[in-house]
Amino acid sequence: QVQLVESGGGVVQPGRSLRLSCAASGFTFSTYDMHWVRQAPGKGLEWVAVISSDGNSKYYADSVKGRFTISRDNSKNTVILQMDTLRTDDTAVYFCVRDDHDDIWGNYRFDSWGQGALATVSS
Amino acid sequence: AIRMTQSPSSLSASTGDRVTITCRASQGISTYLAWFQQKPGKAPDLLIYAASTLQSGVPSRFSGRGSGTDFTLTISSLQSGDFATYYCQQYYTYPFTFGPGTKVDIK
Repeated sequence: QVQLVESGGGVVQPGRSLRLSCAASGFTFSTYDMHWVRQAPGKGLEWVAVISSDGNSKYYADSVKGRFTISRDNSKNTVILQMDTLRTDDTAVYFCVRDDHDDIWGNYRFDSWGQGALATVSS
Repeated sequence: AIRMTQSPSSLSASTGDRVTITCRASQGISTYLAWFQQKPGKAPDLLIYAASTLQSGVPSRFSGRGSGTDFTLTISSLQSGDFATYYCQQYYTYPFTFGPGTKVDIK
């Protein structure tokens, strides 16, 4: 079955960096786009970034552009979110999400989610 | 970025009730809209995509309608496991954006 397991969360001071990893299994990882979505404590969902199946296309939310970098290693079935210059408002649970989108109709289906990794930015 | 709004922000209902949640986009998004259900401490689950297509395994009491800027999610007969927060999401263009959520709790 599809499994997405995030790791790398923790507590970090403002201005520092954190690296989140997502290990995927149970599907052909190299054929799926992957996203990160975050949720601040008690708040709603915020889309963060996406990387295409081949790693050549990446998009970011304006709130993280220039500070966060998404990457993937298809040989290791892993997607990474490198978070630099962290701010207190980056504190959130970060979910790794599989995107089962169809190229014919253009529908993006966020059909599998990890359990989330908590990143806390605090002095 | 496209802004998504939802109404109401919360509602109280009883088991068996018919519940409708509205989602509005700040510009036309055709039918590029999904609905998610999230329970406390859990990751969201995809309910509906393409505004009205039920994700595999989702009960038929859930339905979605709409196109352009106005969309609805309806639960025809609320069950105990449906008390949760519901989010709409547009995937018409990046950055993808979510609505603020509608919390459905027990009356």
